[in-house]
Amino acid sequence: DTAVSQTPKYLVTQMGNDKSIKCEQNLGHDTMYWYKQDSKKFLKIMFSYNNKELIINETVPNRFSPKSPDKAHLNLHINSLELGDSAVYFCASSQPTGIRETEAFFGQGTRLTVV
Amino acid sequence: SQQGEEDPQALSIQEGENATMNCSYKTSINNLQWYRQNSGRGLVHLILIRSNEREKHSGRLRVTLDTSKKSSSLLITASRAADTASYFCATVNAGGTSYGKLTFGQGTILTVHP
Repeated sequence: DTAVSQTPKYLVTQMGNDKSIKCEQNLGHDTMYWYKQDSKKFLKIMFSYNNKELIINETVPNRFSPKSPDKAHLNLHINSLELGDSAVYFCASSQPTGIRETEAFFGQGTRLTVV
Repeated sequence: SQQGEEDPQALSIQEGENATMNCSYKTSINNLQWYRQNSGRGLVHLILIRSNEREKHSGRLRVTLDTSKKSSSLLITASRAADTASYFCATVNAGGTSYGKLTFGQGTILTVHP
């Protein structure tokens, strides 16, 4: 069983379209994240949810709207896609417990190409 | 903002040699983690070292942490062609509100030639 799975793996779409990426984790973790990896492979956090509640929003344009229907799922919806949104988007989960932080588990990534 | 810098940006070695990658960061941390990313794949956690630890081992991996210099190193001993990948350090800031948020370095591309 895949611990963190995201779909689709590849997404090619035209500018101006709206698209969604889905993520599910079966690890029982309370916290899920979306990270963006740009063309230079730099990874930066976008959002974090803890028990379905948004806790981190790293000044991401409001065209990006995460939704967490339950703590096992964190989806990312993107409106009015722009060329600059082209990147690889990674979903991750972990179980941070205050002092004793633990590692994150990452999905395989969704390569989004906006044309 | 970008937390860390890694050097070298790229490292090319022969199978059997050791590979050392360095990472620097800027803020007080709770822990520092190393991840590997194979081409076109997700990130895989390698090792986590807490701020009160100085050295940690896992198989062929050895990680050191110097909080006074805000730096860490990852040593891979007896490298194999299968170790070819990008390696990232990532920090979790100190304080109770980070919720495990990772701040990544720029990564080191390691190529191990058979």
